[in-house]
Amino acid sequence: EIVLTQSPATLSLSPGERATLSCRASQSIGSYLAWYQQKPGQAPRLLIYDASNRATGTPARFSGSGSGTDFTLTISSLEPEDFAVYYCQQRGDWPPMYTFGQGTKLEIK
Amino acid sequence: QVQLVESGGGVVQPGRSLRLSCGASGFTFSTYGFHWVRRAPGKGLEWVAVIWYDGNNRYYADSVKGRFTVSRDNSKNTLYLQMNSLRVEDTAVYYCARGSGINYGYFDHWGQGSLVTVSS
Repeated sequence: EIVLTQSPATLSLSPGERATLSCRASQSIGSYLAWYQQKPGQAPRLLIYDASNRATGTPARFSGSGSGTDFTLTISSLEPEDFAVYYCQQRGDWPPMYTFGQGTKLEIK
Repeated sequence: QVQLVESGGGVVQPGRSLRLSCGASGFTFSTYGFHWVRRAPGKGLEWVAVIWYDGNNRYYADSVKGRFTVSRDNSKNTLYLQMNSLRVEDTAVYYCARGSGINYGYFDHWGQGSLVTVSS
């Protein structure tokens, strides 16, 4: 079973700053990684898929990179609405198994 | 626009059963696979189950295998999760999510969630 480890667990930054979130897979997953944003009381929202492709409606300040075992979500300049919990997720090969990282909470400093 | 609406959550005693439903609109339901994903209080997201577009393939997380069954009725644009032998640790908000990509590997649209509380 592939394990995804996100770091840091909590990231404290101010609006306008750059945020860098990390996700590491326990074995190579190619580029099969997605990122989600979840705000309190809301459903998760797909931001990035296939490691670097922005989903429909994702602002350009969000970018994803990486392949193999190391992945990064970057928010170039934080807006007030970006403070939330972020999860990475991968899909296993066969049989299908879908795994989430434990999440990174991005909070206002 | 794509809409997913869950229903059927509530409070149930350990060992009992509950069925969640997820109604879909705004797209061709029968051409997509769907997932159930949950988030327990104070925890992160956990994938629960997936069902293929035609219902012929279904897969489950080890934590629910043998107790939960995912199904769908394409004539009613509805997804279901039958939960039997519920445990306290099944307490969570349950989301239905539409799958996209290879093996429906990403979750591109989500419902608002339905709270299931297992407690005596």
